[in-house]
Amino acid sequence: DIQMTQSPSSLSASVGDRVTITCRASQSISSYLNWYQQKAGKAPKLLIYAASSLQSGVPSTFSGSGSGTDFTLTISSLQPEDFATYYCQQSYSTPYTFGQGTKLEIK
Amino acid sequence: EVQLVESGGGLVKPGGSLRLSCAASGFTFSKAWMSWVRQAPGKGLEWIGRIRSKSDGGTTDYAAPVKGRFTISRDDSKNTLYLQMNSLKTEDTALYYCTTERERGFRGYSFDYWGQGTLVTVSS
Repeated sequence: DIQMTQSPSSLSASVGDRVTITCRASQSISSYLNWYQQKAGKAPKLLIYAASSLQSGVPSTFSGSGSGTDFTLTISSLQPEDFATYYCQQSYSTPYTFGQGTKLEIK
Repeated sequence: EVQLVESGGGLVKPGGSLRLSCAASGFTFSKAWMSWVRQAPGKGLEWIGRIRSKSDGGTTDYAAPVKGRFTISRDDSKNTLYLQMNSLKTEDTALYYCTTERERGFRGYSFDYWGQGTLVTVSS
């Protein structure tokens, strides 16, 4: 199985900050990488697919990059509604696997 | 508007069985690939399996922890996805989500739409 490792596991930031979350795969997954946002008590929401494509309706403050084994999710200017937990997920091969999550908290 | 509504969760004893349902609307269910993803309390997300559309063979794939115990099926006439869970273990306690699995050409697959989840608790 492909292991996905996110860093950091938690992060404190302020409104307006630029934030970057990293995801590393245990083997090359090309660009088969998705990012999800999950708010407390809610289902996950797709933000980015195929490493860098913005899902329809997602603000352009979110962006993704990377290929191979190393990927990043960047939020260019944090908004109050962005405080949540973020997960990466590989779709290169089944079993699909997720990172352990990065909890983004208000400083 | 796409809607996925899970039901059937509850409290079950270890070794017991449960069947979850996911009622879909707002899209052509018969053409969709569907997955189940679970989340143990306070933990991360775990993919447990998928079913392809009948036109793509209707075949299934499962994660190792549930293979041989869980079965995913679909009834396209009812726009409903199912998860039959047998030989349940305490570690199966989780919120179970159904999701649509969308092919992104040669760029993989993504879970575009999610239900609100149904809670399964396995405890004696």
